[in-house]
Amino acid sequence: DAGITQSPRHKVTETGTPVTLRCHQTENHRYMYWYRQDPGHGLRLIHYSYGVKDTDKGEVSDGYSVSRSKTEDFLLTLESATSSQTSVYFCAISENEGYTDTQYFGPGTRLTVL
Amino acid sequence: AQSVSQHNHHVILSEAASLELGCNYSYGGTVNLFWYVQYPGQHLQLLLKYFSGDPLVKGIKGFEAEFIKSKFSFNLRKPSVQWSDTAEYFCAVNALGGSQGNLIFGKGTKLSVKP
Repeated sequence: DAGITQSPRHKVTETGTPVTLRCHQTENHRYMYWYRQDPGHGLRLIHYSYGVKDTDKGEVSDGYSVSRSKTEDFLLTLESATSSQTSVYFCAISENEGYTDTQYFGPGTRLTVL
Repeated sequence: AQSVSQHNHHVILSEAASLELGCNYSYGGTVNLFWYVQYPGQHLQLLLKYFSGDPLVKGIKGFEAEFIKSKFSFNLRKPSVQWSDTAEYFCAVNALGGSQGNLIFGKGTKLSVKP
């Protein structure tokens, strides 16, 4: 398994509160990704990073922001959580540019927004 | 826009039955193709991948997939399933010329294997 940890693993929060999810890798890979998984939708890319302080939006980025101040950490923030953001969030990493490499996934964070 | 279709939402098989899960993608250019498996309560694990070369790709746990470019397909197969193969299976495509890092997933096929 790739050296990826996510924290917290489970979180319940209330609408309107800020939430930050953390992805930590020990592989020193350049590329990191945040996905959300919802029934009937598969996985959808939220944001990704191609280096420290280098990030870009994915398919479903509205309501989310990210930061990467160190190679090993990629943070996903919900500034004001909504019930539509209840989901399972997966972090992934890849060593090289996304097209030419394989993404490996972390264990996931189950977020419930009441 | 690129898309990935997985034809079956839920497949139920008995142990020792053969498995074929369909995956089609919409993109006319060069693609990399993946199958991931997610066991209940766990994260996605890579089953196999196709980048180039032999279109018949062998993966872990006895799975294989065949890339048929003319049909835009990458179907997953296993000759004899086991109860432990119960999981959800995701096909994914990464296209040359697509957004960097953008791995497009199908909606998944849930496989239930009856002992």
